[in-house]
Amino acid sequence: EAQVTQNPRYLITVTGKKLTVTCSQNMNHEYMSWYRQDPGLGLRQIYYSMNVEVTDKGDVPEGYKVSRKEKRNFPLILESPSPNQTSLYFCASSLGGGRVEDQPQHFGDGTRLSIL
Amino acid sequence: AQSVTQLDSHVSVSEGTPVLLRCNYSSSYSPSLFWYVQHPNKGLQLLLKYTSAATLVKGINGFEAEFKKSETSFHLTKPSAHMSDAAEYFCVVSDPGLGGYQKVTFGTGTKLQVIP
Repeated sequence: EAQVTQNPRYLITVTGKKLTVTCSQNMNHEYMSWYRQDPGLGLRQIYYSMNVEVTDKGDVPEGYKVSRKEKRNFPLILESPSPNQTSLYFCASSLGGGRVEDQPQHFGDGTRLSIL
Repeated sequence: AQSVTQLDSHVSVSEGTPVLLRCNYSSSYSPSLFWYVQHPNKGLQLLLKYTSAATLVKGINGFEAEFKKSETSFHLTKPSAHMSDAAEYFCVVSDPGLGGYQKVTFGTGTKLQVIP
């Protein structure tokens, strides 16, 4: 089954304790992206990756890091989490190449992070 | 610049009556437009997309949307609401962006309530 898998689904942690949210897709997609969803704000893009070793900032990258060492994985790293990063996070992927803007994205089920 | 405005944060309809969820957009390019649906505790699922072909786009579950360039609108409709349609809906605009890479902007979402 084609899917985007995020782990963990839920996490409560404390300020300053480094954490990583993993994202893996099994569709051989080139394009992957991270979003955060906050009430009344919709989804905002944090980082995206056009392909392996190619990443770039989205609209709200501050406080986050990503890496893309393999095509299937795109982890999101919070080096020193703070309470304002409490949010619902989604990883997404699409085929990539060509007109990327035409391609729908496949989303994971989300990771709910609470930073105390 | 790219933006999306979903004109209603909440819409309430009775089961069996028509649904109209409104979306206006702006883009400096010829954009692609999408509607996604999000059920509680789930990721986003593609309903339909417009990519410069037919202006009336049919999607899953009986939804359709019409691209109107003169009005910069992409409203989502369904002739008859079903209880299972209760969810949050996101309008999304995607274009090549300044650097030729995909720029994606989500609307803030419309929560659809269906009354039995």
